Parts: sequence; structure tokens; C-alpha cells
Amino acid sequence: EVQLVESGGVVVQPGGSLRLSCAASGFSFDDYTMHWVRQGPGKGLEWVSLITWDGLRTDYAGSVKGRFTISRDNGKNSLYLQMNSLRTEDTALYYCTKGDDNYGFDYWGQGTLVAVSS
Amino acid sequence: DIVMTQTPLSLSVTPGQPASISCKSSHSLLHSDGKTYLYWYLQKPGQSPHLLIYEVSNRFSGVPDRFSGSGSATDFTLKISRVEAEDVGLYYCMQSLHLPYTFGLGTKLEIK
Repeated sequence: EVQLVESGGVVVQPGGSLRLSCAASGFSFDDYTMHWVRQGPGKGLEWVSLITWDGLRTDYAGSVKGRFTISRDNGKNSLYLQMNSLRTEDTALYYCTKGDDNYGFDYWGQGTLVAVSS
Repeated sequence: DIVMTQTPLSLSVTPGQPASISCKSSHSLLHSDGKTYLYWYLQKPGQSPHLLIYEVSNRFSGVPDRFSGSGSATDFTLKISRVEAEDVGLYYCMQSLHLPYTFGLGTKLEIK
């Protein structure tokens, strides 16, 4: 059974930093591109970032480029999102998702809540 | 960025009746590989989104056959042949042809 478990979400002040983690199990983690998708309070879904299976390629939404860094540790079956210079508009539930060439985002975690507030 | 426009934003359906959601993209989602990168997700209340339909019309594992997807290029439709109470939630279309991947705003399905 595929499981994605996010952690690390907290309340942080504007300008602060945070690192989210996602522990993956139930599939060959190092075979798949992984993504972060977020959902602001009462809002829709926004793709945030991706990292290819080997970590060699990353990409970001314009709203987070230069502030967020995605990474992975295939030895630990883990995905990360380093978030710097946080803004109030970054407040959201952050989902870790498994990418698939055929299925898009075929599995999602339960999300971890990041609240940026003074 | 490719803009995904869903209509309606909400609908209320009597159990057993059909429902239909439209999704239009600002750019054709047909890739030169022949695939069309359009997906449908359902987010039930209090849950994470889950995949219903991939590449326009293919049901994901475990998705009931009352759900179907159709369309091409820029116009797509998700249909539920007979709505059940468990189908309530937010339905999103998404494109993964071009980065950034983009979602529609969502369609809220309620039961009458």
C-alpha cells in the first residue's frame, strides 16, 4: 500500500523558514518524480514543485521560485521542501504527491499545515 | 501558464441522477506523443484529493464505472451517470502538459 506521510508544518512568522518532510512507503521511491502541491485556506490546489527520481531536475511555481528548495533522499525514501522567506500567502496545507508518467499525481499524503502569521 | 476553467462552480444533484462538469483549458493539452494530459481529482470533505480519471478518459484503479471522462484538445467533461451520496466533494481538473501544472478552481458537488 502506497503511503505518503508529511510532517513539519507549524506556525511561523513572516520572513521565517521551515522544512517539510514526506516519508514514502509502499512503492519504489527512487523510480518516481515527486511533487509538492498546496491548498490555501478555502482555496483550490496549487502545484508548488517537482523533483525527478534522481534529484537532477527540479522545478518550481513562480510564486515560490527562489524561496523554496525541493530535495529528496532516496536512501531514506524521503522528500523535503525547504521554505525560506515565508509570506502570509504561503499559508496552506502542503501535500506530498507521487508523480507518474501515465497517472499524473496518483497518490497524495494527508497534508501538513503551514501557517505564516505574526 | 495554462488556465483551467471549470463550470459550474457548484451543483446540487438528487441521488440517482446524472451530473456533468466541464473543464476548458486555455491551450490544447494534446502532446506530440499522442497523449492528452488532462486529469480529474475528487477531494471529499476532510480528505486529500484522489485521482479519478487520467489522460481524459481512463478510470484509475478502484474508481466506480459511474464516473467517466471525455473530451479532447481544450474541452473536457467529467460525468457521473448516477450520483451517490459518497460522491460529494470538490472536483478538480488538472493539466500536466506544461509546467507549471495547473488546476481548475474546483466544482463543489452537493446532494439534494
